[in-house]
Amino acid sequence: EDQVTQSPEALRLQEGESSSLNCSYTVSGLRGLFWYRQDPGKGPEFLFTLYSAGEEKEKERLKATLTKKESFLHITAPKPEDSATYLCAVGGATNKLIFGTGTLLAVQP
Amino acid sequence: GAVVSQHPSRVICKSGTSVKIECRSLDFQATTMFWYRQFPKKSLMLMATSNEGSKATYEQGVEKDKFLINHASLTLSTLTVTSAHPEDSSFYICSARDWRWTNYNEQFFGPGTRLTVL
Repeated sequence: EDQVTQSPEALRLQEGESSSLNCSYTVSGLRGLFWYRQDPGKGPEFLFTLYSAGEEKEKERLKATLTKKESFLHITAPKPEDSATYLCAVGGATNKLIFGTGTLLAVQP
Repeated sequence: GAVVSQHPSRVICKSGTSVKIECRSLDFQATTMFWYRQFPKKSLMLMATSNEGSKATYEQGVEKDKFLINHASLTLSTLTVTSAHPEDSSFYICSARDWRWTNYNEQFFGPGTRLTVL
């Protein structure tokens, strides 16, 4: 069964304090691992797609990496505006997205 | 690019009434649209998948007669919650993708609709 587990559930950082979010997955026939950002009361905002182990993508203070079992979202020198829930999802042979429960990130000034 | 809109953003209705939610892809053709439901502090749960011009495929446990989905054009899908009850109150989010893109799984999400049934 396809499954996605994210950790930690919640993370509180001081502004400028770098950290990483984890997404562990099992899926038959990976056809993409996706990271989304979701603000309260809003729909998920697309951040990255990773397709194969060893791939990395960056956008501003965010960097996503992928191995055969997990993905990390590294946040470098975060700012308060980076506060949000970060969702990880995998697409497999079923062509559906399986979501994790997310990591709620709070960055304090 | 890849913008998806939803309307309304928020709706309050009385128990027993029906509510229609629209999902539109604004700058691309959505051959497939998805409808999700999200409970507070929970992740997105897929309700159904709809392909343009054909019947929707519902996930196990989702009542197709209660959640009517229509995907009549390449830019519009609608979700109608029929005879709504308080337990249907939730955040409903649609997403869309174009199969002609390289990654068949890539989806873009709408801003969501908050439904409250009194």
